[in-house]
Amino acid sequence: EAGVAQSPRYKIIEKRQSVAFWCNPISGHATLYWYQQILGQGPKLLIQFQNNGVVDDSQLPKDRFSAERLKGVDSTLKIQPAKLEDSAVYLCASSLASSGNQETQYFGPGTRLLVL
Amino acid sequence: AQTVTQSQPEMSVQEAETVTLSCTYDTSESDYYLFWYKQPPSRQMILVIRQEAYKQQNATENRFSVNFQKAAKSFSLKISDSQLGDAAMYFCAYRSGDNFGNEKLTFGTGTRLTIIP
Repeated sequence: EAGVAQSPRYKIIEKRQSVAFWCNPISGHATLYWYQQILGQGPKLLIQFQNNGVVDDSQLPKDRFSAERLKGVDSTLKIQPAKLEDSAVYLCASSLASSGNQETQYFGPGTRLLVL
Repeated sequence: AQTVTQSQPEMSVQEAETVTLSCTYDTSESDYYLFWYKQPPSRQMILVIRQEAYKQQNATENRFSVNFQKAAKSFSLKISDSQLGDAAMYFCAYRSGDNFGNEKLTFGTGTRLTIIP
């Protein structure tokens, strides 16, 4: 079974530029998460999708971050414009469902973003 | 809000020995899940072990086992017969049992485990 796929793996941009990350969850997984992991910290949830609907985006800086999950499969996360403090690893995770022993989240390899 | 604390920023252990990583959490909920994830230098977060709060029996996965103390809100990970491949950052994570928009994982700050050959 293929895991969660993410691209690109690395991205370097200058502040005020825009950037987009892509995630393809495990086939059949209804729930998709985007986490931000700043160096030296644990991941922090940015947004959670259930199919193509947003469940939780309370920690998403909506003035610069946006995310979508069209057709309830792939997802993109965009930052526009980027700030220095956005330098982090962006992790995508998916789970089969949200309950019933199917809530375990499986993570992709992450995208490391460096904003100069 | 729930919090997860890992008080050991770094740990080291001799190869083939046993090591225990500590984790405590704070919650007012009675139904929740706890996880240990491993993050090697490749940065892929890999699930090591999970525990449902309603289960009294401690979870085990081969060389990995937990000591879950619900009353003390403690969830430690024991790695037996440590191997070089166990070297990584280990994160403890909490997930609410609420399935109505509160499924996010809350992570601790991690423990970096070094294996000494």
